[in-house]
Amino acid sequence: DSGVTQTPKHLITATGQRVTLRCSPRSGDLSVYWYQQSLDQGLQFLIQYYNGEERAKGNILERFSAQQFPDLHSELNLSSLELGDSALYFCASSIQGQNSPLHFGNGTRLTVT
Amino acid sequence: SQQGEEDPQALSIQEGENATMNCSYKTSINNLQWYRQNSGRGLVHLILIRSNEREKHSGRLRVTLDTSKKSSSLLITASRAADTASYFCATDAAGTGGFKTIFGAGTRLFVKA
Repeated sequence: DSGVTQTPKHLITATGQRVTLRCSPRSGDLSVYWYQQSLDQGLQFLIQYYNGEERAKGNILERFSAQQFPDLHSELNLSSLELGDSALYFCASSIQGQNSPLHFGNGTRLTVT
Repeated sequence: SQQGEEDPQALSIQEGENATMNCSYKTSINNLQWYRQNSGRGLVHLILIRSNEREKHSGRLRVTLDTSKKSSSLLITASRAADTASYFCATDAAGTGGFKTIFGAGTRLFVKA
């Protein structure tokens, strides 16, 4: 068990809808990362937060947004969903913002129909 | 992009044999990490090697780093069926949009019992 909790585990929704994915980092970790993994693909970096502040940004779509709250949990909001957004969304946390191992949750599997 | 690229894409070996996976990256790095992913699950951190290190061991794992060639290798000795998984390298370096941890596309390892 990595200590990182992601909810929900599965999400099925229709195109055009909006969903929120939630992540609770491992106790003591200040940094949260979000990744997208499409079927049989590598992980695409979306965004990273450190102690509530945005630290780094990847190729995150404008339809997607995220934030890290004072209690360090994070939410990833996906809006105007398209079929191509169907993927596994992983949250990871680390103690520092860089140069430290990432601890991954088990992901949220999003299916857009 | 600073994304690592693993080679080979897939590898099938017999139990007891050694498995070697390679990773190449494009720009200077602070460290390189290897992760393992069982199908549909979150990634698990295996080992982190810093840019000033050349080799690191952890149990049956041996990682080498050659910064002059911008490459790393992961060796799993005496493989077991339970080692069947995807293996990813990740590089941690500064770039446009901040400091990011970027993953390669992975090597799928299948160990036959």
